[in-house]
Amino acid sequence: GENVEQHPSTLSVQEGDSAVIKCTYSDSASNYFPWYKQELGKGPQLIIDIRSNVGEKKDQRIAVTLNKTAKHFSLHITETQPEDSAVYFCAASTDKIIFGKGTRLHILP
Amino acid sequence: KAGVTQTPRYLIKTRGQQVTLSCSPISGHRSVSWYQQTPGQGLQFLFEYFSETQRNKGNFPGRFSGRQFSNSRSEMNVSTLELGDSALYLCASSLVSGTGIGDEKLFFGSGTQLSVL
Repeated sequence: GENVEQHPSTLSVQEGDSAVIKCTYSDSASNYFPWYKQELGKGPQLIIDIRSNVGEKKDQRIAVTLNKTAKHFSLHITETQPEDSAVYFCAASTDKIIFGKGTRLHILP
Repeated sequence: KAGVTQTPRYLIKTRGQQVTLSCSPISGHRSVSWYQQTPGQGLQFLFEYFSETQRNKGNFPGRFSGRQFSNSRSEMNVSTLELGDSALYLCASSLVSGTGIGDEKLFFGSGTQLSVL
């Protein structure tokens, strides 16, 4: 079955700097790659997604890139702000959505 | 539109007991998925229900079971609880297409925090 690896597990960046979270997946049949953000005490919330026929997608300060050949995809957050502090999960999907283990992002003042 | 509702919010049980968790999806959503979240393992897929049928299942023992009712509400049951079952159990609903393809956006509830003593 699908396996999703996510790195790093913890990331601290200075406010205003960029943050990058990387994921790899194992099943070449995966065709949908969402990213979720989980704030304390809440369930994960979708922030951006990308499908396998697209290489890059951007939404304001957030962008996701996909390299199907290497089975890599990444989340890029620019101009980080305190409210970006949260746990971020990548995921890959064929017939079910499988998540990585998460990255705890700290935005330092 | 109301979001995904999970009840109860917190549960404390002892080893050997059983527990039932409830999930009400967003109105109109027919697919409900369940995930177990622990600090070390992240979000692990338990199972997914669509139109009252289990469509997919993760790698959990048979002690974990679920069902879905005609109104799309879902319940998850864990029997013979073990200490390792302590976790946040998350339910997510999605508006699956008519073909049943499972790549739609998931909307999560806030979860049920289960503690097994």
